[in-house]
Amino acid sequence: AQSVAQPEDQVNVAEGNPLTVKCTYSVSGNPYLFWYVQYPNRGLQFLLKYITGDNLVKGSYGFEAEFNKSQTSFHLKKPSALVSDSALYFCAVRDAGNTGKLIFGQGTTLQVKP
Amino acid sequence: GAGVSQTPSNKVTEKGKYVELRCDPISGHTALYWYRQSLGQGPEFLIYFQGTGAADDSGLPNDRFFAVRPEGSVSTLKIQRTERGDSAVYLCASSFTGGSYNEQFFGPGTRLTVL
Repeated sequence: AQSVAQPEDQVNVAEGNPLTVKCTYSVSGNPYLFWYVQYPNRGLQFLLKYITGDNLVKGSYGFEAEFNKSQTSFHLKKPSALVSDSALYFCAVRDAGNTGKLIFGQGTTLQVKP
Repeated sequence: GAGVSQTPSNKVTEKGKYVELRCDPISGHTALYWYRQSLGQGPEFLIYFQGTGAADDSGLPNDRFFAVRPEGSVSTLKIQRTERGDSAVYLCASSFTGGSYNEQFFGPGTRLTVL
């Protein structure tokens, strides 16, 4: 069965510093991976996805993610964090089969301090 | 353009009551998904519609839960005989097509509280 794991409940980083939010996956077949962000009282917003191709995927708001097949990881990164990046981040993998449904990790709270 | 909308934003009900939650997807999106998000958890899949038909309802927890999408756009999630354990945020998402790699666009959710 497909699954993702986000090993950190919370990540703290100072504004201006680089940030990384970790995600590892377990899939049968090719992985199709997504990152979403959730702000308080708002729905999930799509950041980026990996389907195939370059291992470094660029997304919205300056975020990028690095797909690493040997380590089965898909870590979210940003070179310089902003206070406004503080939110809840979810990694997800597309389920096997033809529905396109997503399987989400538990989420990681990112706290960026001024 | 307009995103996915969900109504009501909040619903408080009593144990045993019936509730309906509505989702209005992005115009032209044929795929529609319902997820449930409990406190401190990631969203969990409930049901997927491709057009008017429920192509995958494997995530519905029991037969108290039912969803429809009669005209292939708006969908309603229906919960009978609500229980306190049903309290959660119910999220709706749509995508251009299902069974593909298109990203899903989520609505703001309906927070259901069962007293």
